[in-house]
Amino acid sequence: AQTVTQSQPEMSVQEAETVTLSCTYDTSESDYYLFWYKQPPSRQMILVIRQEAYKQQNATENRFSVNFQKAAKSFSLKISDSQLGDAAMYFCAYIRRGTNQFYFGTGTSLTVIP
Amino acid sequence: EPEVTQTPSHQVTQMGQEVILRCVPISNHLYFYWYRQILGQKVEFLVSFYNNEISEKSEIFDDQFSVERPDGSNFTLKIRSTKLEDSAMYFCASSEEGPSRRSPLHFGNGTRLTVT
Repeated sequence: AQTVTQSQPEMSVQEAETVTLSCTYDTSESDYYLFWYKQPPSRQMILVIRQEAYKQQNATENRFSVNFQKAAKSFSLKISDSQLGDAAMYFCAYIRRGTNQFYFGTGTSLTVIP
Repeated sequence: EPEVTQTPSHQVTQMGQEVILRCVPISNHLYFYWYRQILGQKVEFLVSFYNNEISEKSEIFDDQFSVERPDGSNFTLKIRSTKLEDSAMYFCASSEEGPSRRSPLHFGNGTRLTVT
């Protein structure tokens, strides 16, 4: 069974600094996709970034980037120049190609300190 | 930008009652999903729906749950006889193509269901 593990229930970062959120996953598949979703206090789920497993190059979206280590089954999210609006719960998610079921981690609550 | 809309934002119901949660997916999307999040816990997959039928469902999605696309725009989740443990935030999501084609899920704002 696929599992997604986020070992950091809570993280904090000083405004303008950089923070890295960890995610590991367990799968026997080779073709899959990984995502980071952000859930602010409004509870809406917002896509932050996605990575295709077949791509070696790490995905980047403005201040957000990932460190994808396929052999280690690790998918961390780096937020650079943290802003107050980045404060939210962050969920790592996995989906195997050819299926419709996402698996989510338990989330990391990020606090941004002014 | 088009978005997934869910109504109501908050629903309170008594145990044993039936509830219907409503969603309007993004208009050109073909795949629809329901997820739930019990307070303080992770987001859990319930069901996916494509071409007017369920394509996948989880163990949570038992006989008390059903989904329907009654017309060209709405996608509903029905819980027949609610239990206390059904209290959660329910998220509807849609995607243009199946996730295998790399189209991301677009989530609604959620419906908070409280069963008393």
